[in-house]
Amino acid sequence: EAGVVQSPRYKIIEKKQPVAFWCNPISGHNTLYWYLQNLGQGPELLIRYENEEAVDDSQLPKDRFSAERLKGVDSTLKIQPAELGDSAVYLCASSPTRGRNTGELFFGEGSRLTVL
Amino acid sequence: SQQGEEDPQALSIQEGENATMNCSYKTSINNLQWYRQNSGRGLVHLILIRSNEREKHSGRLRVTLDTSKKSSSLLITASRAADTASYFCAALLKTSYDKVIFGPGTSLSVIP
Repeated sequence: EAGVVQSPRYKIIEKKQPVAFWCNPISGHNTLYWYLQNLGQGPELLIRYENEEAVDDSQLPKDRFSAERLKGVDSTLKIQPAELGDSAVYLCASSPTRGRNTGELFFGEGSRLTVL
Repeated sequence: SQQGEEDPQALSIQEGENATMNCSYKTSINNLQWYRQNSGRGLVHLILIRSNEREKHSGRLRVTLDTSKKSSSLLITASRAADTASYFCAALLKTSYDKVIFGPGTSLSVIP
């Protein structure tokens, strides 16, 4: 079974430029999460999807961040414009559908963003 | 804000010794999970303990949960150099189904 796939693994951009990250969850996993992880810290939730619906986006900085999950499968997280403080690792995770969900998350390898 | 706090922030031990990491949380939970993260990689689920359980074992891992103190501990016995990684506790909140909040993590170094 394929795991959660994220791309790109690494991205270096200049401030004020846009950037997008892509995530393909495990097949059959309806819940998808985007987390931000700063160096030496734990992941912080940005947004959580149930199928195509964003059920928790309270921590997403909506002035510059946006996300979508069309058709309830793949998801894209976008930052426009990027700021120096956005340098971090962006992690995508998925989990099985509600009813069988113990809360265990399956993570991708992450997308490391460096803003210069 | 993150729900969990962990200590120690960093731990360095000799191979063969046991490593204990502690986690505290703030609100009611459905379960408490532990994850491992190797440098530059994603997180990998290690073990889950439900709110009605007190102790759980998996191989060299032992997890305890004290809901009255809102705390959990992860014990890795007979550590190996390959156990060197960061370890995170994560709480599945009772008030928000499917919301998983992570602690700041413990960085473990196992010296051969």
